[in-house]
Amino acid sequence: TQLLKQSPQFLSIQEGENLTVYCNSSSVFSSLQWYRQEPGEGPVLLVTVVTGGEVKKLKRLTFQFGDARKDSSLHITAAQPGDTGLYLCAGATGANNLFFGTGTRLTVIP
Amino acid sequence: IAGITQAPTSQILAAGRRMTLRCTQDMRHNAMYWYRQDLGLGLRLIHYSNTAGTTGKGEVPDGYSVSRANTDDFPLTLASAVPSQTSVYFCASRRGAIAGDEQFFGPGTRLTVL
Repeated sequence: TQLLKQSPQFLSIQEGENLTVYCNSSSVFSSLQWYRQEPGEGPVLLVTVVTGGEVKKLKRLTFQFGDARKDSSLHITAAQPGDTGLYLCAGATGANNLFFGTGTRLTVIP
Repeated sequence: IAGITQAPTSQILAAGRRMTLRCTQDMRHNAMYWYRQDLGLGLRLIHYSNTAGTTGKGEVPDGYSVSRANTDDFPLTLASAVPSQTSVYFCASRRGAIAGDEQFFGPGTRLTVL
């Protein structure tokens, strides 16, 4: 059962452009995380959002948790080649497990 | 450097063979996890362990088994590998019991079953 769907699945943009990645579900999550994964490596945590409507900023990255805690978005301003990677959202529904989204593969072209 | 190590890095395996993927962490984290990553499906949880001596089933446990004899090690065994188990396998750990805490991932094992 895939609880979290991300869109788009693939995204290729020019350096300096803005972009938004979406993470959607019909389930309510107690918290939601965003990870970034580079080729040949494991995912690395970027941010955790907990409260419905919460917005967190990490330099050029802005993360938002939906009011109903069912969805989230990641907005990147003025993308740079170093932003290239696989972005994964992950929702927590209970004490143990994270459910990961399907992933968005971002390529930023210099 | 503290973290998670996985072995082997990659493996090609004949169908029907037994295989154990190794995972060791030196952060003294209580919880450990095994995921498989397949294109278009993201990361799916296979098995987890909240603390040494306990294990639980995740989303896709069939064909896999785990053990947690101590805090540091969490091996994943495929008793009789099948081609559908071709995937990249990631081990992860988490310090506490709250699902929203950060999970730390190993570098992965790329497994091909022929």
